[in-house]
Amino acid sequence: QSALTQPASVSGSPGQSITISCTGTSSDVGSYNLVSWYQQHPGKAPKLMIYEGSKRPSGVSNRFSGSKSGNTASLTISGLQAEDEADYYCCSYAGSSTYWVFGGGTKLTVL
Amino acid sequence: EVQLVESGGGLVKPGGSLRLSCAASGFTFSSYSMNWVRQAPGKGLEWVSSISSSSSYIYYADSVKGRFTISRDNAKNSLYLQMNSLRAEDTAVYYCARDDASVGAFDYWGQGTLVTVSS
Repeated sequence: QSALTQPASVSGSPGQSITISCTGTSSDVGSYNLVSWYQQHPGKAPKLMIYEGSKRPSGVSNRFSGSKSGNTASLTISGLQAEDEADYYCCSYAGSSTYWVFGGGTKLTVL
Repeated sequence: EVQLVESGGGLVKPGGSLRLSCAASGFTFSSYSMNWVRQAPGKGLEWVSSISSSSSYIYYADSVKGRFTISRDNAKNSLYLQMNSLRAEDTAVYYCARDDASVGAFDYWGQGTLVTVSS
């Protein structure tokens, strides 16, 4: 059950856009349209930001968008704001044997 | 309002046991699959276990298989995780999370309960 691969850190200035990648395999990201993204502020529980690769739950800003190509999913945050500084995790369904697998997490710093 | 409240964490010696609970409210608990996800100090999220709405389907991560047991009591709106043969590497904050099949994701999370395995 190998974790999905994310960059350890990304940064951007307020108003800019950043993209976080999440690379899996043909057994998880590449096989299912069940990639989700979570935002976690220090000491807090994770919050669902994107599901099914590109859909936003009610209440999540449209500055957050998701996409997928092959075995790699991506989260893009546009118009960066200070409150976006947090850790971001991707997650994918990986079939009935492995079930769910998370990425290692990416720390976003808003400069 | 959906609420998930974990309890039962604490300090336990290696080889010991602990039972975590998650009290759910604000939704029809018996209609949703539920999960445990953990986070070691300073580390990322790790899925631990899932249980379907009627307990018919249960899944575990390889790292806990044979040592942890997930269960639920729909009459009590509660989720449980029985943890046996605990190891230092099980030290983590344990979150319960609702699994909404209509979105294929963990849409609500509890605040977590800390389990520390140390002698």
